[in-house]
Amino acid sequence: KAGVTQTPRYLIKTRGQQVTLSCSPISGHRSVSWYQQTPGQGLQFLFEYFSETQRNKGNFPGRFSGRQFSNSRSEMNVSTLELGDSALYLCASSLAAGMSGNTIYFGEGSWLTVV
Amino acid sequence: GEDVEQSLFLSVREGDSSVINCTYTDSSSTYLYWYKQEPGAGLQLLTYIFSNMDMKQDQRLTVLLNKKDKHLSLRIADTQTGDSAIYFCAESSNTGFQKLVFGTGTRLLVSP
Repeated sequence: KAGVTQTPRYLIKTRGQQVTLSCSPISGHRSVSWYQQTPGQGLQFLFEYFSETQRNKGNFPGRFSGRQFSNSRSEMNVSTLELGDSALYLCASSLAAGMSGNTIYFGEGSWLTVV
Repeated sequence: GEDVEQSLFLSVREGDSSVINCTYTDSSSTYLYWYKQEPGAGLQLLTYIFSNMDMKQDQRLTVLLNKKDKHLSLRIADTQTGDSAIYFCAESSNTGFQKLVFGTGTRLLVSP
């Protein structure tokens, strides 16, 4: 069974540009969430999607957005990039079974460097 | 609010047991997780425990949960050099099962 797949793995962007990151969840998983990891702030929750709907959102500016498609694949977009957006962006997927069980698996991440 | 704390660093010798500790503040936490991160990699799920459990064992890993003190620990038996990594504790609450709040991570160094 394939794990959570994120593309691209590495990318370099210039300040002011925008970027789109992609995540394919584990087959059968309907929930996809995104996290940002930086040395200074650690791991922070960005947002979560379930059945194409955003269910939860972290404390990030509106430049950070996402969406989920009918096949559960998800994308996140960051517009008007700033140097501080340089980070590892991690995608996670789960069955979202709620109280019945909640294993959450992460991908290898997308390393974004803003110059 | 939600907050998860961990000690930053732990050093052990190969073959010893390692115990990584974590405290959390959210009393509505439902699931508590341990993840491992190796350099340049994503997060590997090691184990998780539901809040109505006290202990969970999985091969070399033992998780202990003290809900009264909001304290979680991960014990790794017979620690190997391949266990050297950063270990993250995380919690989710019943207001958002998929929203994890992470600790700062504990860097485990295993020396031969």
